[in-house]
Amino acid sequence: GENVEQHPSTLSVQEGDSAVIKCTYSDSASNYFPWYKQELGKRPQLIIDIRSNVGEKKDQRIAVTLNKTAKHFSLHITETQPEDSAVYFCAATSNFGNEKLTFGTGTRLTIIP
Amino acid sequence: NAGVTQTPKFRVLKTGQSMTLLCAQDMNHEYMYWYRQDPGMGLRLIHYSVGEGTTAKGEVPDGYNVSRLKKQNFLLGLESAAPSQTSVYFCASSYSLHPISGANVLTFGAGSRLTVL
Repeated sequence: GENVEQHPSTLSVQEGDSAVIKCTYSDSASNYFPWYKQELGKRPQLIIDIRSNVGEKKDQRIAVTLNKTAKHFSLHITETQPEDSAVYFCAATSNFGNEKLTFGTGTRLTIIP
Repeated sequence: NAGVTQTPKFRVLKTGQSMTLLCAQDMNHEYMYWYRQDPGMGLRLIHYSVGEGTTAKGEVPDGYNVSRLKKQNFLLGLESAAPSQTSVYFCASSYSLHPISGANVLTFGAGSRLTVL
């Protein structure tokens, strides 16, 4: 089955700096890679996703890049703000099948004012 | 429009007791899922359902049973609770294919914190 590794497990950055979270996956058939954000005590929510036919996707201060050859994808947050503090989960699946969605172990991002 | 609602939010059990977690969604989603979240382990799929009357095992199904008698409800049961089942449980639901993106965006409930003593 799919195995998703996520690094780092914790990350602290100064407000205004950029943050990068990296994930690798094992199944070359995976073609859909969502990122979920979970604020303290809250439920996970989708913040951005990317399909395997695209190398990069941006949404305001958030971007995701995908390298299919190396089987890794990354989340980039620019101009970080206090509200970006949360746990971020990457995930991977094939054929958009959530029943096969495998999550990474999460990255706790702390923005230092 | 409540989205995904889980009950109860908190529960403390003694080893060997049984209980049922209820998940209800009002978005007419076909798919429903139960995950558990443990520190450093991410979200792990326990069981899921792709439609009314169907259920299937996920990554960590042992010790749990599920039922989906109605499309909007998905029940997670613990027949004989063990301390290893102390966790936060999340229910989620999704379309089989999102009508716009074609992907299966998960909508999560608020979570249920279960402690087994």
